[in-house]
Parts: sequence; structure tokens; C-alpha cells
Amino acid sequence: AQSVTQLDSQVPVFEEAPVELRCNYSSSVSVYLFWYVQYPNQGLQLLLKYLSGSTLVKGINGFEAEFNKSQTSFHLRKPSVHISDTAEYFCAVGRSNDYKLSFGAGTTVTVRA
Amino acid sequence: DSGVTQTPKHLITATGQRVTLRCSPRSGDLSVYWYQQSLDQGLQFLIQYYNGEERAKGNILERFSAQQFPDLHSELNLSSLELGDSALYFCASSSSPLSEQYFGPGTRLTVT
Repeated sequence: AQSVTQLDSQVPVFEEAPVELRCNYSSSVSVYLFWYVQYPNQGLQLLLKYLSGSTLVKGINGFEAEFNKSQTSFHLRKPSVHISDTAEYFCAVGRSNDYKLSFGAGTTVTVRA
Repeated sequence: DSGVTQTPKHLITATGQRVTLRCSPRSGDLSVYWYQQSLDQGLQFLIQYYNGEERAKGNILERFSAQQFPDLHSELNLSSLELGDSALYFCASSSSPLSEQYFGPGTRLTVT
């Protein structure tokens, strides 16, 4: 079985400050990893993905994430946030021998001026 | 716009009733996934189809069923509805089972 833990349920941050959202997973097989964003009253939108290769992945809207296999983490970062980044962010993990994605509980980011 | 469409956007029904949610995947995508999102359970994977065949099952109740048709659209049937079934139901699609999923806007189901 696999599990996904998003370590922070709420992250308040000021505009133009950096933000890091933490995600840890457990799995006995190789994984592929995603971050999704959900804006209020909308569906989930893919921010970035890691399938293989470089462990530093760049996504849309200035977000990036780093896969750390030894620490089984896939933390999401943005160096300078905007008000429009206020949303809920989900980390998702899939296993190479499975078709399902497991989602974390989500982290709500609130950006204040 | 992800290219995944879901109908209806909102659905209000009574306990004990049956409803059908519909999903059209992105053009060319063969895999369809259904998820339930509620405040207490978070985002839960329900079921996945690939080119008409069921490929994976998650936390789907026996009262729920799904199918994918030859034109690749999918329907999620929820029966004997209970208050606890009130949630957002998302459909997602992907080009293959291991690639990224694109989500539809969701159907908000309210059971009264």
C-alpha cells in the first residue's frame, strides 16, 4: 500500500514571499509524482509532474518541485507568490505497477497582501 | 479548460434515489477515472476504465457503479443515495494509465 502525507494543512503567506508545501510518500515500488492545484469552485489542474530523469521539476505559474528518493519527499516551492496563488494544493503519487493515484489531504495556501 | 466535460454541474436529489453522472474525456484519451471529494474524506479514487474495460477499483461502494462506452464517455451511477454521498464527483482522463490526469470541473451532488 502507499500513502501520501501533506505535512501542512494550512499555509498563510504574504504576497511576494516564498512558499514551500511539503509532501512525503511511502511506497515499496518506484513512483511517479504530481502536484495539482484546485482554485475555489473549480476542478484540479496539473501544476507539474515527475516521471523520471532530473529530480528538479519545473511547472506552470513559477512552481517547482524536487523529488528526493532517499527522503521519499516531493516538496513544492515558489520563490514569490501572488494573491492569485490562493488555492488548495494536492500532492499525488502513483505506483509504476498500478493505475491508481493516491492524493494527499491537501494544503490550503492563503496569500495576503 | 482541461478538455474534460462533466454533466450536470449540480444535482440535488433525495435519499434513496438514483442518479447518473456523465463524463466525456479529452479527445484521444482512453483512460477515465472517477473521484469523490468530500470535506471529511478528502479526494478519494473510485474507479478507472481504460478503453472500455475496468482497470482499477478504489474506495467505491457497492451502491455505485460505472461504465465506459465505445465512444469513451463514462457514466457513474449512484443508487440508494444517502446523505453521506453528498460530495463533489470528479472525472479525469489520461492518454494512458501511467500519464498525468486531466480533471473535469466536477458534479456537485447534494442529497437531502
